[in-house]
Amino acid sequence: EAGVTQSPTHLIKTRGQQATLRCSPISGHTSVYWYQQALGLGLQFLLWYDEGEERNRGNFPPRFSGRQFPNYSSELNVNALELEDSALYLCASRLKGFQPQHFGDGTRLSIL
Amino acid sequence: GQQVMQIPQYQHVQEGEDFTTYCNSSTTLSNIQWYKQRPGGHPVFLIQLVKSGEVKKQKRLTFQFGEAKKNSSLHITATQTTDVGTYFCAGGGSEKLVFGKGTKLTVNP
Repeated sequence: EAGVTQSPTHLIKTRGQQATLRCSPISGHTSVYWYQQALGLGLQFLLWYDEGEERNRGNFPPRFSGRQFPNYSSELNVNALELEDSALYLCASRLKGFQPQHFGDGTRLSIL
Repeated sequence: GQQVMQIPQYQHVQEGEDFTTYCNSSTTLSNIQWYKQRPGGHPVFLIQLVKSGEVKKQKRLTFQFGEAKKNSSLHITATQTTDVGTYFCAGGGSEKLVFGKGTKLTVNP
């Protein structure tokens, strides 16, 4: 079974630009979660999508947004990039209920 | 909102020594999950605890869930260099998981 896949692996942007990160969940998983992991910090919850709807979002400004497509894949958009947005962005998927989250390898976003 | 605190933030041990990381929640948890992230890797699910007072073992790893379902611990017996990484606890329910900041374990061979 293929795991969670994320693209691109690395992304380099400059301040003020926009970034789009993509995630394909494990087949059959309908929930997708996005996390930000800045260097030396833990996992900060960004967004949760399920069945195409945004179900919850973390304490991040509105320039962090995303969506989930009918095939349950998802994308994360970050507008007006700032230096502090440099981080590893992890996507995770899971089945419903008390199921573990399965993480992708992440996208390393660097803001110059 | 719900907070999950994890201590210590860092732990350095000699190979063969034991290691324990502790997780505390500000609210009662429906379940707690533990993940391990190797350096340069992504978090990988280790185990889930659901019942009050539950204890589960995976080889040298022992996981406990407190009676009040507000705290948990992970204990590694006789650490090996393959145990290096950051261990995260995550509490929650059927929706959002709240992750602790993790304990970074380094092992000196």
